[in-house]
Amino acid sequence: KAGVTQTPRYLIKTRGQQVTLSCSPISGHRSVSWYQQTPGQGLQFLFEYFSETQRNKGNFPGRFSGRQFSNSRSEMNVSTLELGDSALYLCASSADRGLNEQYFGPGTRLTVT
Amino acid sequence: QKEVEQDPGPLSVPEGAIVSLNCTYSNSAFQYFMWYRQYSRKGPELLMYTYSSGNKEDGRFTAQVDKSSKYISLFIRDSQPSDSATYLCAMIGGGSNYKLTFGKGTLLTVNP
Repeated sequence: KAGVTQTPRYLIKTRGQQVTLSCSPISGHRSVSWYQQTPGQGLQFLFEYFSETQRNKGNFPGRFSGRQFSNSRSEMNVSTLELGDSALYLCASSADRGLNEQYFGPGTRLTVT
Repeated sequence: QKEVEQDPGPLSVPEGAIVSLNCTYSNSAFQYFMWYRQYSRKGPELLMYTYSSGNKEDGRFTAQVDKSSKYISLFIRDSQPSDSATYLCAMIGGGSNYKLTFGKGTLLTVNP
């Protein structure tokens, strides 16, 4: 079974721009979560989608948004990029509602200049 | 106080040593406890998860949960250079806390 895939792997953007990141979960997995990883804050939960509905959301500003499609693929959007948004963005998928067995993708490394 | 505290290390041990990695937490609502391993420039990889207090063993790895002390541990026996990575603990609570909350990770190096 193919793992979680994320595109693009690397991205460089300028302050004020917006960016869209994509995640394809493991086949059959319906839950997709997004995380931000930085050296200072570690891994922080952004949001989780299950069957196209946002089930939970972390403490991030409204500039961070996401969606999930009927095939479980998910996208994350960050608008009006700030320097502090530079991070590794990780997507994870799990079957049904069980977050205790989440499988992570390789991440998208976003650099904001 | 952060919900999950984890000593960032770094921790350096010789090959064959027993490694002990630990996390403490403050939220008594946490129900599931996971350990992830993350190699440089890769996503985290799930090692083990436990639901209740007690021990769970998988090969060279043993996860231990003590809910009364709000303390979890991961033991690695016969450590190998390939175990060199960052180890992250993570926890899931119930209700609105049904999401993963991670420790900051401990960087482990196993020297040949």
